[in-house]
Amino acid sequence: QSALTQPASVSGSPGQSITISCTGTSSDVGTYKIVSWYQHHPGKAPKLIIYEGTKRPSGVSNRFSGSRSGNTASLTISGLQAEDEADYYCCSYAGSSTLEVFGGGTKLTVL
Amino acid sequence: QVQLVQSGAEVKKPGASVKIPCKASGYTFPSNFIHWVRQAPGQRLEWMGWINAGNGNTKYSQNFQGRVTITRDTSASTTHMELSGLGYEDTAVYYCGRRAAAGLIDYWGQGTLVTVSS
Repeated sequence: QSALTQPASVSGSPGQSITISCTGTSSDVGTYKIVSWYQHHPGKAPKLIIYEGTKRPSGVSNRFSGSRSGNTASLTISGLQAEDEADYYCCSYAGSSTLEVFGGGTKLTVL
Repeated sequence: QVQLVQSGAEVKKPGASVKIPCKASGYTFPSNFIHWVRQAPGQRLEWMGWINAGNGNTKYSQNFQGRVTITRDTSASTTHMELSGLGYEDTAVYYCGRRAAAGLIDYWGQGTLVTVSS
């Protein structure tokens, strides 16, 4: 069982927007507010798409955005494209002894 | 530029061990932690553990019940993840990732496929 809870799957049609939630606790997301998101196409290396909750690395499309409210972080993908179909994982800092905890991943299907 | 390079695919028999290297370049190796995760066929990414490349401190997922050991060789800028007592369920792609800061893993290795087969 993963430390952070994500929905197993979400889907959307091209051009639509979807949001993936990532629910933690006051020991991680709620206190440290340091959340990152990764896109993973199986067989390829995971790709960082959001860090520090809302920031995008250079080269990542502005269709990807992050937010947080309380113990829940969210990833929104707008203007869905076929290439967005992948697994998405959240990660939160959880203190100096644990470091990071991860979500169980969400499979995004673009219909 | 930062790179993490892993070794090629391996085939192991049940009960054996596998030791996967992750060679870092492009940054000061002891300055960062390295995380290890894996993905079994049809499954999601699973966190295995991390190592502080500076002092060698480690933390492991309890899911592996003492079967995983992560070490580092600072002279070679390399971390190794060893998994013992392999079972068919350990067939997976294993990845290393560099922890750049709190909550941030910015670079990943290309992955190493380990197949457990008799």
